Amino acid sequence: QIQLVQSGPELKKPGESVKISCKASGYTFTDYAMHWVKQAPGKGLKWMGWINTYTGKPTYADDFKGRFVFSLEASASTANLQISNLKNEDTATYFCASGITFDYWGQGVIVTVS
Amino acid sequence: DIQMTQSPSFLSASVGDRVTINCKASQNINKYLNWYQQKLGEAPKRLIYNTNSLQTGIPSRFSGSGSGTDYTLTISSLQPEDVATYFCQQYNSWWTFGGGTKLELK
Repeated sequence: QIQLVQSGPELKKPGESVKISCKASGYTFTDYAMHWVKQAPGKGLKWMGWINTYTGKPTYADDFKGRFVFSLEASASTANLQISNLKNEDTATYFCASGITFDYWGQGVIVTVS
Repeated sequence: DIQMTQSPSFLSASVGDRVTINCKASQNINKYLNWYQQKLGEAPKRLIYNTNSLQTGIPSRFSGSGSGTDYTLTISSLQPEDVATYFCQQYNSWWTFGGGTKLELK
């Protein structure tokens, strides 16, 4: 069955960087876009952007331009999110979700910046 | 950018009640709308896609309707396991989520 499995929780200090991964299985990785979604503690869902898993082209929502980088390891069916120069407000759960209509979601990665 | 305004933000209802949650888009989204259920500490689970198509495995007490800018999620008979936060999401133009509705038992 289709699964998105994300990496484990991260505890970072302000100014550091973090890279989280999302490994897909059960389908052809390059057939579906991969999205990233942020959920701050007790808050709603915010779309961060997406990456075309066929071409590797990333597109970032306005609030996520600059410190955020989407990348792929297509041979490993894995999408990555890197956040640099971490700030306290980056503390959140980060989800990956596949497909134009967000058909499948990863379990989320809790990133704590403190 | 399309804005999604969800109401109410908080809802308290009894087991067996009919519950409706609304989502209003800032422009026509052509029925390109998902509904999600999120329980504490879990990833969102898609309930409905394309406004009214029930995701496989989701109980039939959940239904969606709407068109243009106005959309509704209905739970026909609330069950204890339905306690969760519900989100709408448009995908007509980029992707935007509503602010969420927290549903609790009265």
